[in-house]
Amino acid sequence: QKEVEQDPGPLSVPEGAIVSLNCTYSNSAFQYFMWYRQYSRKGPELLMYTYSSGNKEDGRFTAQVDKSSKYISLFIRDSQPSDSATYLCAMNPKAAGNKLTFGGGTRVLVKP
Amino acid sequence: SAVISQKPSRDICQRGTSLTIQCQVDSQVTMMFWYRQQPGQSLTLIATANQGSEATYESGFVIDKFPISRPNLTFSTLTVSNMSPEDSSIYLCSVRWGTNEKLFFGSGTQLSVL
Repeated sequence: QKEVEQDPGPLSVPEGAIVSLNCTYSNSAFQYFMWYRQYSRKGPELLMYTYSSGNKEDGRFTAQVDKSSKYISLFIRDSQPSDSATYLCAMNPKAAGNKLTFGGGTRVLVKP
Repeated sequence: SAVISQKPSRDICQRGTSLTIQCQVDSQVTMMFWYRQQPGQSLTLIATANQGSEATYESGFVIDKFPISRPNLTFSTLTVSNMSPEDSSIYLCSVRWGTNEKLFFGSGTQLSVL
């Protein structure tokens, strides 16, 4: 079993819909959680960085962490075709640890 | 965020040859990381490169196959040696930067080995 599980998709939604992405993890030592967006042929771009359980909002993006369930989510409101990308979750036991553990990524397609 | 430039952006190479990937950061950083992303897979850390010392390799990766240089605090290279088709991947340079030393990535090198 992988330490971090993420549905590979693809997840196809109409423009303007809410995109809901999630990851589950097994290691209770993970304390820091990140979401990255990766466009085709590009490096991952950091979208959200969270530590505590609860919600964190940044523009159209909301990251949610539930440590008791070992479950994290990313919501994208008012989705746009430009949101079409692969979204990777990542997590770490420390704020600046040696390496992150990544999920496999979910491919999202927002159709105009 | 730090600006990370990676070269080449892509290359097609013959089996048995070697390719050196360059990574340049616009700020001084203590550690630089090299990741591999195989087709349809997530990111796997290859090694951590500190300036002035040998790189630290993760399980499954060895120096003879992936030699790394780190001559100063803004530059690193990763060489993929004696390539085979299984080395076809995206190779990514990354650094920790800013509050909580978040991880930022370069644009990657897409390598295809024939």
